[in-house]
Formats: sequence, structure tokens, C-alpha cells
Amino acid sequence: QITLKESGPTLVKPTQTLTLTCTFSGFSLSTRGVGVGWIRQPPGKALEWLALIYWDDDDDKRYSPSVKSRLTITKDTSKNQVVLTMTNMDPVDTATYYCAKAHFVTSSWSYYFDYWGQGTLVTVSA
Amino acid sequence: DIVMTQSPDSPAVSLGERATINCKSSQSVLYSSNNKNYLAWYQQKPGQPPRLLISWASTRESGVPDRFSGSGSGTDFNLTISSLQAEDVAVYYCQQYYDNPITFGQGTRLEIK
Repeated sequence: QITLKESGPTLVKPTQTLTLTCTFSGFSLSTRGVGVGWIRQPPGKALEWLALIYWDDDDDKRYSPSVKSRLTITKDTSKNQVVLTMTNMDPVDTATYYCAKAHFVTSSWSYYFDYWGQGTLVTVSA
Repeated sequence: DIVMTQSPDSPAVSLGERATINCKSSQSVLYSSNNKNYLAWYQQKPGQPPRLLISWASTRESGVPDRFSGSGSGTDFNLTISSLQAEDVAVYYCQQYYDNPITFGQGTRLEIK
């Protein structure tokens, strides 16, 4: 059974750094074709992909160009965890943040998300 | 970036009737080398995370009722629910995975008439 769960603060102040942890089970990030991504959803709005990390140790990260300068994604394969940090938080970053397992199409290096966590609502306010 | 545009925004359909949601991409998501469309559909019920319904434009995931079907190719795609059930009330999103960054449509909120 594949599960993912997000954890982290529910409230951060403007300019602070957000750190979110995704703890997963039922799969390994050492397995070729597997990745974990972060997607956010502002209240009442659409989904926005943020970042992805995958099995390849040499080149294992991708970021959304719109927020790339503010994001860092890392993995701890032994702990089955993926961590996302986002710097310089702003009220417009208020959203539910989801982590999700990525199903990779290795022939084309593309992916979609086949399992999702429940999400965690992060509010940015002074 | 490939822009995904869904229509209509918020259709209302009677129980038992057919519901169709359209998704258009700003460029083709058909990969010529394998003739596959890199298009997925997700369902998000209130208070829940998205659920993958369909990948490759028309391949239903395990456990998805067969009243859900996907069709289309290139830049124009449809998600069809053949006979709408009350539990199908949700927001539906398309996503392209042809190119990076992956992108989602703005969502279609399906309601009961």
C-alpha cells in the first residue's frame, strides 16, 4: 500500500523560510522510474507543480521556473522522506501543499502523479 | 510552457446524463516516436487530494469506474462520464506531461443540475 503524508508548519510569517517534509511508504526512491513531487493549490484555485526529485543520484531534481530561485528539494532515501524548502514566503504562497508519487516515463523523462498525500494547508501571515 | 485550457468552467448535468469536459493544450502533446498522448486527468472531490483517473489520454487507472473515459489526440481532449452519479461531483483537472514544466488546466467544477 502506497501512502504519502506531508508535515510542517501551518503558519509562517512573510519573508520566513518554509520547510515541508513528505514521509512516504510502499515504494522506494531508489527504484528507477519513481519520483516524488510537490504541488500546491491556493484556496479555491488550480494545481501548480513546484518541484520533483527522483531516483537518479547524479541529476535528480527539477523545479518550476516560476519559483525555482526560492526552492530546494532533497531526499533521504533511507528514511523514505523528501523535504521541500521555500524561501522568502509571501501571503500569495498561502496554499495547500501536496506531495505526490511520480510515475516516470523513462523513455521521455516525463511523469504524472499516481498517488497523492492528503495535503497540508500553509498560511502566510504576519 | 504548455498552457492547458479547460471548458466549460462549471457545467451542471442531471444525474444519469452524460457529462463531457474538454481540455485543449497550446501545443501538441502527442509524442511521435510512440504515438502516445501525454495527457492525464485527475478528479478532486471537496476536501480531498486529487486522484488520478486517466493517463495517456485514454487509459483508465485501476479501480476507476468504466463510466469514465478519455479521448482525443494532439491538442484536443475530452473526459466523459457516461452516466453521472452523485459521487462524481468534483473538480476535474487535465495535466500534460509531454514537456517540462508539467502543467495543469485551471479545473472544471462539475455539479448536479
